[in-house]
Amino acid sequence: DAGVIQSPRHEVTEMGQEVTLRCKPISGHDYLFWYRQTMMRGLELLIYFNNNVPIDDSGMPEDRFSAKMPNASFSTLKIQPSEPRDSAVYFCASSPAGGNTEAFFGQGTRLTVV
Amino acid sequence: GDSVTQMEGPVTLSEEAFLTINCTYTATGYPSLFWYVQYPGEGLQLLLKATKADDKGSNKGFEATYRKETTSFHLEKGSVQVSDSAVYFCALSDEGTSYGKLTFGQGTILTVHP
Repeated sequence: DAGVIQSPRHEVTEMGQEVTLRCKPISGHDYLFWYRQTMMRGLELLIYFNNNVPIDDSGMPEDRFSAKMPNASFSTLKIQPSEPRDSAVYFCASSPAGGNTEAFFGQGTRLTVV
Repeated sequence: GDSVTQMEGPVTLSEEAFLTINCTYTATGYPSLFWYVQYPGEGLQLLLKATKADDKGSNKGFEATYRKETTSFHLEKGSVQVSDSAVYFCALSDEGTSYGKLTFGQGTILTVHP
């Protein structure tokens, strides 16, 4: 398996623009997680899905952030409108069902909002 | 809420030196504990885990023991190599939740010189 695939790897956008980050989880995994990594706040869980259903979005910082999982093989994280403070590395991770199995992380998307 | 505290970094060592990175946690119940490693430009990889008190996780010469009495999960390696240079994250997952739903420490940068 190719692992968790995220795109793009790097994104530079202007403040106010819409940004969409994409994630393809490992086939057969039931859980999908979106994390954000910044120097100030470290790694934070934004939202996670189980069987395509959002379970906990309490980590989503503002209404400008939204995430969807239309099917088992694809998820998006959208920021609209983007702000400079959204600059961070965004990671997607997936794990199988059953609970007692590790999560596998993608390589991340480095977002820069100027 | 849950929290994980890691020793202040960065840590700089010579090759073959002994490594300790301290990690303590706060959580209700009986969390599972993890060490993740992040190499430059890559996502996080699970290094080792322990799911109950007194368990020892080990991998690639690294070890950590789940100490409930001191709420600690310190990472150790007897002889580090240059290839161990990376960022190390201690993390926990609440009892009964997916192992992908993680609370991370702030990370410790390790640099190993020849």
